[in-house]
Amino acid sequence: KQEVTQIPAALSVPEGENLVLNCSFTDSAIYNLQWFRQDPGKGLTSLLLIQSSQREQTSGRLNASLDKSSGRSTLYIAASQPGDSATYLCAVSNAGGTSYGKLTFGQGTILTVHP
Amino acid sequence: DGGITQSPKYLFRKEGQNVTLSCEQNLNHDAMYWYRQDPGQGLRLIYYSQIVNDFQKGDIAEGYSVSREKKESFPLTVTSAQKNPTAFYLCATATRVNTEAFFGQGTRLTVV
Repeated sequence: KQEVTQIPAALSVPEGENLVLNCSFTDSAIYNLQWFRQDPGKGLTSLLLIQSSQREQTSGRLNASLDKSSGRSTLYIAASQPGDSATYLCAVSNAGGTSYGKLTFGQGTILTVHP
Repeated sequence: DGGITQSPKYLFRKEGQNVTLSCEQNLNHDAMYWYRQDPGQGLRLIYYSQIVNDFQKGDIAEGYSVSREKKESFPLTVTSAQKNPTAFYLCATATRVNTEAFFGQGTRLTVV
């Protein structure tokens, strides 16, 4: 059974710092990996999607990498801002059959960026 | 206005009642999903559907039921058999093209 772990559980940094969030998964037979952002009491916003054949994806100040063989992904946030404060969730979709889109989630990293 | 609409935003249920959470999408996505989120436990899959008139159980389907009569709609019923229904419920869709998942804004269900 796939298990996803995110480290650290919480992170507090001053504005302007570059930071890295980590995600690991136990079954490397994934179809894709997604990073989401969740604000308190809100739904999930998709940040980046990495297909299993890709090594990284970039969007603005965000860069996500994927090392399928070692079961790891990192989300790099450059020049952090107070508006980046949120919970960041990593999720994987396992390969095979009709199970595309079924996601296994980590428990998230709560990020606080203080001015 | 494109996207996924969940309603209501807040729902209160008395003990022994069934309640239905609505999820509607106009993204023309084939697949729809229901997840439950509890503090400190992440999201867990309840049910999913990849075509109309077909759906599959997820990891925590007991006490829940769904239907998929239209591509746009995937309502979730929380039955009285669900022992601990208080949670945040999230509906998601995905497309076969690149399998990226998109989420609605959620419904917070509270048992009173």
